[in-house]
Amino acid sequence: DAGVIQSPRHEVTEMGQEVTLRCKPISGHNSLFWYRQTMMRGLELLIYFNNNVPIDDSGMPEDRFSAKMPNASFSTLKIQPSEPRDSAVYFCASRGNSGGSYEQYFGPGTRLTVT
Amino acid sequence: AQSVTQLGSHVSVSEGALVLLRCNYSSSVPPYLFWYVQYPNQGLQLLLKYTTGATLVKGINGFEAEFKKSETSFHLTKPSAHMSDAAEYFCAVSDRRNNDMRFGAGTRLTVKP
Repeated sequence: DAGVIQSPRHEVTEMGQEVTLRCKPISGHNSLFWYRQTMMRGLELLIYFNNNVPIDDSGMPEDRFSAKMPNASFSTLKIQPSEPRDSAVYFCASRGNSGGSYEQYFGPGTRLTVT
Repeated sequence: AQSVTQLGSHVSVSEGALVLLRCNYSSSVPPYLFWYVQYPNQGLQLLLKYTTGATLVKGINGFEAEFKKSETSFHLTKPSAHMSDAAEYFCAVSDRRNNDMRFGAGTRLTVKP
């Protein structure tokens, strides 16, 4: 099992540019979560999906952020336009909902720097 | 809604000493409780979890935690700290009814030689 895969691992972009972060969950998991981690705010849940459907996006900071999950094996988080305050580490996590397993499995993260 | 409070953002211990990281939770329903560890430049890795059954749960790397309902606590312990334990530790609580998992602010553990 390859675990949760995120790409890119590092992204440096200029303010105003569009940024797309990608995530491949663990095969068979049907819940997917996007988090943002900063020193100031810690770990924040942005959005999560169940069976590819967005369930709770109340953590998405503003309309510049959007997330999609077109199928069970792929999700994207897009920021357009990006701003310096979006600089953070973005994590994707997945979870299976069967067999009494309730923990989330995290990817390695994407470190985003917006200059 | 559930929440987690981790007491102490930084904990420093000497190598070989007891590690105690504190976590208190708030939940209106019986919770699921988790401890995760994050090493520098890595994602969060599950250390251990409590769902049902035995209240003392053992995890990887010699860590264990005890669910105490009366104290609404789930403190993480390790009898003897190792240099490799230096990392950030997150306590989390999940509602049994949905996917919502709430993380604490984290505790950074430093191990002195």
